[in-house]
Amino acid sequence: GQQVMQIPQYQHVQEGEDFTTYCNSSTTLSNIQWYKQRPGGHPVFLIQLVKSGEVKKQKRLTFQFGEAKKNSSLHITATQTTDVGTYFCAGPADSNYQLIWGAGTKLIIKP
Amino acid sequence: DSGVTQTPKHLITATGQRVTLRCSPRSGDLSVYWYQQSLDQGLQFLIQYYNGEERAKGNILERFSAQQFPDLHSELNLSSLELGDSALYFCASSVEPSGGTGELFFGEGSRLTVL
Repeated sequence: GQQVMQIPQYQHVQEGEDFTTYCNSSTTLSNIQWYKQRPGGHPVFLIQLVKSGEVKKQKRLTFQFGEAKKNSSLHITATQTTDVGTYFCAGPADSNYQLIWGAGTKLIIKP
Repeated sequence: DSGVTQTPKHLITATGQRVTLRCSPRSGDLSVYWYQQSLDQGLQFLIQYYNGEERAKGNILERFSAQQFPDLHSELNLSSLELGDSALYFCASSVEPSGGTGELFFGEGSRLTVL
C-alpha cells in the first residue's frame, strides 16, 4: 500500500548544530504537510508544500518539496532547545485523501 | 490553544471495559478526525466525519465506533478494551472536507491506559 517513509527515526545534535529530516513517498503527492509535536504535546501544523521543487523558509526552518513530488525535507539551522520534539511529514492518500503520516523524526539536543 | 477541546485528558480503565472520548472542534470547522498514537509511535488515522456524516475510515477496529452530532462535536467509543488499546487518542478538526487538503488543528489528546 501507499507509504510515507521518514528518516532518521532519531537525531541527536548539539545545540547550535543543524538538523535534517527526510520524507519519501511511494507515490506522487499532491501536497505534503509538516507538523511538530513537542514532548507531551499535540501535533502542530508547520507548513504545506504544493508545487514541484518548492522551497519555503520559516526563520531557521527550510522546507523543500522534490521535483517529482515524492520526497521532501525539513532542515533546521543552528538548533535551539525550543526545537526539541518530533517532526512529522504527511501526505494525502490516493484512495481517500486522508493524510498518511511518516513515523516522525525525534530531535534530541545533547546535554 | 488550537481551539479543539478533548475530554477526558486522562483515563484509566480495565480490560473489557468501554470508554467514550469526546471532542469539540474549532468553531466553524465541519470536519473531525480521530487519530491513535501509541507510545513514541506515529499517528494512525482512525476515522473522519464531515458535517455529521462519516467521510473516511482508516485502521479503526470493529470494537471502536464514532459519531458526530448535529452541534459538530464528536465522540469515539472504545469497547471490549484490551491492553494494546492503551494510547493517546487525538481529535483534530479542519475547515476542509478532507484531511489531505489543508491544516489540521489537533486537540491535546486523551491518554487512555488499560490495565
